[in-house]
Amino acid sequence: AQTVTQSQPEMSVQEAETVTLSCTYDTSENNYYLFWYKQPPSRQMILVIRQEAYKQQNATENRFSVNFQKAAKSFSLKISDSQLGDTAMYFCACRPSNTGTASKLTFGTGTRLQVTL
Amino acid sequence: NAGVMQNPRHLVRRRGQEARLRCSPMKGHSHVYWYRQLPEEGLKFMVYLQKENIIDESGMPKERFSAEFPKEGPSILRIQQVVRGDSAAYFCASSPPQQGEGYTFGSGTRLTVV
Repeated sequence: AQTVTQSQPEMSVQEAETVTLSCTYDTSENNYYLFWYKQPPSRQMILVIRQEAYKQQNATENRFSVNFQKAAKSFSLKISDSQLGDTAMYFCACRPSNTGTASKLTFGTGTRLQVTL
Repeated sequence: NAGVMQNPRHLVRRRGQEARLRCSPMKGHSHVYWYRQLPEEGLKFMVYLQKENIIDESGMPKERFSAEFPKEGPSILRIQQVVRGDSAAYFCASSPPQQGEGYTFGSGTRLTVV
């Protein structure tokens, strides 16, 4: 079983500033994947970034990067140079890596990010 | 590639009616997942299907809910005798069988029970 915890229900950041969203997780799996999804008001779920647990290097996608601390089971998302279009709900998710088959994602409860002028 | 297609986008049902939600996965994706999102909450896993097989239905309510993914056609999430508590956004996602791929989500169906 897996659990994902996002302790920040809401965050606010000014345009062009940097913000970090927190996520902790718990899993009994040795190998797994971690994801951040964005859900704007349109309700579409958009994959922002993914991290493979066996890789020590933190994933980066343009203005989005993660701080993956495996021992602490922490997976925070950093958004640099925030833009108004980043306003959305952000969900952290975990998925075990089962050999040969896909497997289900477990989501946190989300952090609502508001980017202001 | 049209992505994951869900329809209808919005569905209104009276209490006691049936709701049928459809999901066509991305081309090449053989795994389909259904999630439910209640207002101001995260996504909760319901069921995971492959063609003609239910792999994991641990998140499905025991009564009134069923899902299928036939050999031909879309995956269907069926809710019988809907109640007000069924009002939610229902998301479908698909993935290829390879490990590590993030899901691709559809735009969801918002079910309102009146």
